[in-house]
Amino acid sequence: QVQLLQSGAEVKKPGASVKVSCQTSGYNFPDYYIHWLRQAPGQGLEWMGWINPGTGATKYEQKFQARVTMARDTSIRTAYMELRTLRSDDAAVYFCARTLRAGLGARFDHWGQGILVTVSS
Amino acid sequence: DIQMTQSPSSLSASVGDRVTITCRASESISTYLNWYQQIPGKAPKILIYRASSLHSGVPSRFSGGGSGTEFTLTISSLQPEDFATYYCQQSYSVPPFSFGPGTKVDMK
Repeated sequence: QVQLLQSGAEVKKPGASVKVSCQTSGYNFPDYYIHWLRQAPGQGLEWMGWINPGTGATKYEQKFQARVTMARDTSIRTAYMELRTLRSDDAAVYFCARTLRAGLGARFDHWGQGILVTVSS
Repeated sequence: DIQMTQSPSSLSASVGDRVTITCRASESISTYLNWYQQIPGKAPKILIYRASSLHSGVPSRFSGGGSGTEFTLTISSLQPEDFATYYCQQSYSVPPFSFGPGTKVDMK
């Protein structure tokens, strides 16, 4: 079955970087976009960007453009998201999720379990 | 960017109740609207896509409707496992993928 398995919780200081992973199984990795979304405590869902695992192409939400990098390693079917220059308001649960397409009609049909990132001095 | 709103922000209901949640888009999105359920501490799960299509494995007590700018999610007979937060998400003009703020359904 389709699985997206994310790495463990992270604790970082303000100004540091965090790199989280999303290991996939149960489907053809290049066929589905991997998106990263986050959810601050008690808040809603915020989309950060996507990576096309087949081509490596990325698209980032404008507010994260300067601080985020998404990458993938096709040999181990894993996607990565690095967020730099962390601030206290970056503290959130970070999810990976897949979609078959990146445009019209895209839907997040499978999600990782989420990674809690704490930012504290 | 398209903005999504939901009403109510929260509601209290009992097992067996019929529950309806409304989602509105800031401009027409045809039927490109998805619904998700999130239980606390868990990842969201898709329930409905293209406004009214039930995702595989989702119980038939969930249904969706609407088009243009106004959409509904209905739970015909609320079950104990349905107490959760529900989010709508537009897939018409993406990116960005915008979500509604959520509707929390809790026990009366």
